[in-house]
Amino acid sequence: GAGVSQSPRYKVAKRGQDVALRCDPISGHVSLFWYQQALGQGPEFLTYFQNEAQLDKSGLPSDRFFAERPEGSVSTLKIQRTQQEDSAVYLCASSSQKTELSGNTIYFGEGSWLTVV
Amino acid sequence: EDQVTQSPEALRLQEGESSSLNCSYTVSGLRGLFWYRQDPGKGPEFLFTLYSAGEEKEKERLKATLTKKESFLHITAPKPEDSATYLCAPFSGGYNKLIFGAGTRLAVHP
Repeated sequence: GAGVSQSPRYKVAKRGQDVALRCDPISGHVSLFWYQQALGQGPEFLTYFQNEAQLDKSGLPSDRFFAERPEGSVSTLKIQRTQQEDSAVYLCASSSQKTELSGNTIYFGEGSWLTVV
Repeated sequence: EDQVTQSPEALRLQEGESSSLNCSYTVSGLRGLFWYRQDPGKGPEFLFTLYSAGEEKEKERLKATLTKKESFLHITAPKPEDSATYLCAPFSGGYNKLIFGAGTRLAVHP
C-alpha cells in the first residue's frame, strides 16, 4: 500500500482479555517499529525489527507484551491479559533501510486506539 | 539518561503571527533529529531530518534549525491549517529507538 496500515483502528477490550494489533508496513521496508502513545504525550518506543529479526525489545513494558514479524513484512503486537494502564494509541512505523544508515525517513501509521475497560 | 523537552507546551497564534517552537535535549552522541507533525487522531507525519549543527531545512512556512543542544521550528505567517502538535525526536547511533518530546500543541486562529 501507499502508507503504513494498522488494524483495528479502534479496539475496546475488557480487562483480562488478550488483544492483537496488526501492522502492514510500506512494501519493501526493512525496518519496523512499534511505539505507544498516551494521551498528551509523545510516542514511546516499544520494539524494533529489522526484517524478521527483533533487534530491540527493551521498551516492552512487561512480559504481557509480545511482538512478531515472522516473514519480515506484516507485524503483530499482542497484549495478553490487558490492564487499564495498557489503554493508549499503538503506533507502527516503517523505514526503507537499516537504522544505521543516514538519509532515511520513518513513516508512521494512523495508530490503533486501545481502550481497556 | 537521554531527555527531550519541548516548549512551550501549547501556543496560540493569530493567523500571520510568526513564532518559534523549541526542542532541547541531552543526548549523548547526537547524530540527528526528526521533526514530526501530528493531527488529532492521526499518526505523526514526517517533516524534517536534521543531521548537523547549523543545518537548516524549509518546507512551506516551516523552517527547522539545529544546534548541539537544541532545535527550533520556525513558523512564518502561519495559517489555521498549521494547527497541530509538533513533535521532535533526537537520535544517536541508529534511529531504531527514538525519544520523543511531549510536543507543542499549536493553535492558529483566523
